[in-house]
Amino acid sequence: GAVVSQHPSRVICKSGTSVKIECRSLDFQATTMFWYRQFPKQSLMLMATSNEGSKATYEQGVEKDKFLINHASLTLSTLTVTSAHPEDSSFYICSARIVTSTDEQFFGPGTRLTVL
Amino acid sequence: KNQVEQSPQSLIILEGKNCTLQCNYTVSPFSNLRWYKQDTGRGPVSLTIMTFSENTKSNGRYTATLDADTKQSSLHITASQLSDSASYICVVRGQAGTALIFGKGTTLSVSS
Repeated sequence: GAVVSQHPSRVICKSGTSVKIECRSLDFQATTMFWYRQFPKQSLMLMATSNEGSKATYEQGVEKDKFLINHASLTLSTLTVTSAHPEDSSFYICSARIVTSTDEQFFGPGTRLTVL
Repeated sequence: KNQVEQSPQSLIILEGKNCTLQCNYTVSPFSNLRWYKQDTGRGPVSLTIMTFSENTKSNGRYTATLDADTKQSSLHITASQLSDSASYICVVRGQAGTALIFGKGTTLSVSS
């Protein structure tokens, strides 16, 4: 199957700093990528839909000024957590969509963010 | 309200045994249903995707079933291995182009 990578896999930062997470589709082009957040023992929660060349669409309750998304190319989307606080500590997962009859999504390995 | 419910919440089985995980959904209209395996600290990996017309789909030791009439799906794991220990997530896509709806997952622990 298609491969999606994320970088970094783990990051620890101080409160108030900004953290950038990269999501890349390695062997296919993805016009649409998705960003999810997962808290311990919870399911994935969609944060936003990232569309190449246009503004991201955010889910209700997700602050677009805090979670900046850029999808500048067909293989790269970035999520920047601005002025991170301890409550932003979570597991962030991206996925990339291949447009087929089943609209397959391939998930990245995730990024563990810990804000001290 | 579109929901995906999974049971059991957690399950412990001995290595070599079989097990079946359940997924009930209320999503309508329905496009497809997916089962993912998520290892701890990793992203989900697709096991199967089934559309409305498919009743059964296998992927190695994993066999998924779908009853679109009763809105139920199951994932059967045969001859479990220690590496099967993970969270298994049922995900439903409703109308084409809409967001995926995730179940909370079943945590499977396979012990020797």
